[in-house]
Amino acid sequence: AQRVTQPEKLLSVFKGAPVELKCNYSYSGSPELFWYVQYSRQRLQLLLRHISRESIKGFTADLNKGETSFHLKKPFAQEEDSAMYYCALHNTNAGKSTFGDGTTLTVKP
Amino acid sequence: EAEVAQSPRYKITEKSQAVAFWCDPISGHATLYWYRQILGQGPELLVQFQDESVVDDSQLPKDRFSAERLKGVDSTLKIQPAELGDSAMYLCASSLGRSGYEQYFGPGTRLTVT
Repeated sequence: AQRVTQPEKLLSVFKGAPVELKCNYSYSGSPELFWYVQYSRQRLQLLLRHISRESIKGFTADLNKGETSFHLKKPFAQEEDSAMYYCALHNTNAGKSTFGDGTTLTVKP
Repeated sequence: EAEVAQSPRYKITEKSQAVAFWCDPISGHATLYWYRQILGQGPELLVQFQDESVVDDSQLPKDRFSAERLKGVDSTLKIQPAELGDSAMYLCASSLGRSGYEQYFGPGTRLTVT
């Protein structure tokens, strides 16, 4: 069974501080991993995916297969980064997606 | 910019009543997903369509929930009869295909069962 765990429900940092949102997964195959974000009063949207290895809004995430993790990082948090963040795993064989329970990030001024 | 549409946005119903939600995906998106999101939890996949065919409904409570996508375009999710525990946000998403593609989400339907 595939599972995604986001151990922190809430994360609060000050503006300009580094931030790391943790995501661990369990899956026996080769996973496709994504980070989705939901800003206040907006719909859920893709932030980044591990396949593209790109940086979006200053965020990066590295897939660590040894530790089965896909942590989201940003060196200098901004107030506009305050949102709910969801880590998601996509099963390429079954085409099934599993989401974590999310982390609410608050960036204080 | 094209978006996924859902209606209604809010629905209040009494337990044992029937309720239906509608989703119109982005044009050209072959894959359509229905998720249920309980407060404080992440989205849970209920059913996934590829065109008009169901490819995963393993988490769909089939005794009361049904979903269809007759022409491979828009989709309807129905609950009959509704129970108190069905109160949640119901999200629809679509993507170009099943693997590796970004999912585009609708605004959701907030269901309250009284």
